[in-house]
Amino acid sequence: NAGVTQTPKFQVLKTGQSMTLQCAQDMNHNSMYWYRQDPGMGLRLIYYSASEGTTDKGEVPNGYNVSRLNKREFSLRLESAAPSQTSVYFCASSSWDGFNQPQHFGDGTRLSIL
Amino acid sequence: KQEVTQIPAALSVPEGENLVLNCSFTDSAIYNLQWFRQDPGKGLTSLLLIQSSQREQTSGRLNASLDKSSGRSTLYIAASQPGDSATYLCAAGENYGQNFVFGPGTRLSVLP
Repeated sequence: NAGVTQTPKFQVLKTGQSMTLQCAQDMNHNSMYWYRQDPGMGLRLIYYSASEGTTDKGEVPNGYNVSRLNKREFSLRLESAAPSQTSVYFCASSSWDGFNQPQHFGDGTRLSIL
Repeated sequence: KQEVTQIPAALSVPEGENLVLNCSFTDSAIYNLQWFRQDPGKGLTSLLLIQSSQREQTSGRLNASLDKSSGRSTLYIAASQPGDSATYLCAAGENYGQNFVFGPGTRLSVLP
């Protein structure tokens, strides 16, 4: 059971560089999410996608873009990385059957911006 | 804006003790409330999800309750074990459950 797979697991960037974080789920879930986790701040929602072809901003979307490539894949792009984007990034997915079902998380991408 | 807090921030208990973790939210119009466990360096694992129409959910030694009117949820862990050591987070679901607001977590240590 792969569940939610995130790549890469670790990345170091220089200020101004760009990169894309990849996320894929194999549970046929409709909804996918990107969060960032910072010490003392809890998890904060960056973007989410309720279904294939739709994306919506969360609490902290500035500096990020997302693409829901298909039902399985949801990517997060940093166009011009800044030190404030140093964080651990988590992707999650969930299904919907009239009530929202529990979210399943990947193991995270640890990103450092120098 | 929804805000979620968790008390205590950290807790250390001897093995076998029953314990309660607290979660408070400011806006009672939540869609659901979810409890997670996070081990160091890992992602979150969902433990229990309580829909807004429910009062509690149980799974094994875990019991979560929800009181929307008072803006509170509790996670009860019975007969704690060292393997329960982790950070426990609660999250309030909004916007038909499409948006979750997380608390900062309670770091639990169960001592052998």
